[in-house]
Amino acid sequence: DAGVTQSPTHLIKTRGQQVTLRCSPKSGHDTVSWYQQALGQGPQFIFQYYEEEERQRGNFPDRFSGHQFPNYSSELNVNALWLGDSALYLCASSLGAGGIYNEQFFGPGTRLTVL
Amino acid sequence: QKEVEQDPGPLSVPEGAIVSLNCTYSNSAFQYFMWYRQYSRKGPELLMYTYSSGNKEDGRFTAQVDKSSKYISLFIRDSQPSDSATYLCAMSYGTSYGKLTFGQGTILTVHP
Repeated sequence: DAGVTQSPTHLIKTRGQQVTLRCSPKSGHDTVSWYQQALGQGPQFIFQYYEEEERQRGNFPDRFSGHQFPNYSSELNVNALWLGDSALYLCASSLGAGGIYNEQFFGPGTRLTVL
Repeated sequence: QKEVEQDPGPLSVPEGAIVSLNCTYSNSAFQYFMWYRQYSRKGPELLMYTYSSGNKEDGRFTAQVDKSSKYISLFIRDSQPSDSATYLCAMSYGTSYGKLTFGQGTILTVHP
């Protein structure tokens, strides 16, 4: 059973460019959350998608947007990149409803470097 | 002030030592409390979770939650070099699949 997969593994962009990161959830999961982890910091919640809609959003500007497809995979888009966007971007999947506890499983992340 | 505070360490201990990792939080609405382990260049993996106050034990790991003090702890007994990693506390509100709020992470090194 494949876990959460993310692509690409690494990415280098320049300021002002746009980037798209991709995530495939664990089999059977319908909810995808995205987190940004700066070096030496804990992950920060960006947003969560469920049933192809943004269900929750953290304190991130509108430059960060996302999408969820009918197969539950998801994309994170960041426009107008600036140096502070350099981080590890983590995708986590879970079951959206039901059960007492629904663990969030994390992927290995995409390392984004903005020059 | 951050919602969740965690001592970043780093923490270096000899093999076999008991390790104590701690987090404090300010928001009393948190109900689910988790500890994740993150190896270098990997995503976090769940070690323990606790719902509300109490203790939970799993092998060498014990998680404690004291909601009255807004304080959570993770204890590792008989620490091993393979326990060397970054440990992250995380918390969420009403649903366990919702937004996780993480601490900064504590870097732990267990030397032989």
